[in-house]
Amino acid sequence: GENVEQHPSTLSVQEGDSAVIKCTYSDSASNYFPWYKQELGKRPQLIIDIRSNVGEKKDQRIAVTLNKTAKHFSLHITETQPEDSAVYFCAASLSTLTFGKGTMLLVSP
Amino acid sequence: GAVVSQHPSWVICKSGTSVKIECRSLDFQATTMFWYRQFPKQSLMLMATSNEGSKATYEQGVEKDKFLINHASLTLSTLTVTSAHPEDSSFYICSAIGLAGVSYEQYFGPGTRLTVT
Repeated sequence: GENVEQHPSTLSVQEGDSAVIKCTYSDSASNYFPWYKQELGKRPQLIIDIRSNVGEKKDQRIAVTLNKTAKHFSLHITETQPEDSAVYFCAASLSTLTFGKGTMLLVSP
Repeated sequence: GAVVSQHPSWVICKSGTSVKIECRSLDFQATTMFWYRQFPKQSLMLMATSNEGSKATYEQGVEKDKFLINHASLTLSTLTVTSAHPEDSSFYICSAIGLAGVSYEQYFGPGTRLTVT
């Protein structure tokens, strides 16, 4: 089955800095790669996703890149704000979602 | 976007009892729903895929006789934790696939915090 590795497990940045979270996947057939933000005790919220026919997607301060050859994809958050602090999960999917272990992002004012 | 609800949001039960958790798609029909379990500070682990009108598909290592799933309608799936034990204490989250614009997206419920004493 699919295996998703996510790094780093924790990431601390200063407000205004950029944050990058990286994921690799094992199944070359996976074609959908969403990123979720989860605040403590709440449901995961989809923040951005990318499909295998696209290499990059951007939505305001958030961007995702996908390298199908290397089987890795990354989340980029620019101009980070304290409210960006949360746990971020990447996932890879062909039919069901396989999640990475998560990255706890802490943005300090 | 589509809305998925779960009930209850939290439950405390005694060891040996059974607990039922409901997952509803409020404004769309979902032929497929998913049940996840999330332990503290860990990722979401898929337990099973629930298909309306048929048996659920369980992931390896998940006991189907312990975690009973029923998907009797296009808007409701239930997860029953039978003979619950303290190690079953976890955050259970369901999700359903709904149409978002021209593509499908997985919408998550708010989760149910189960504590078994």
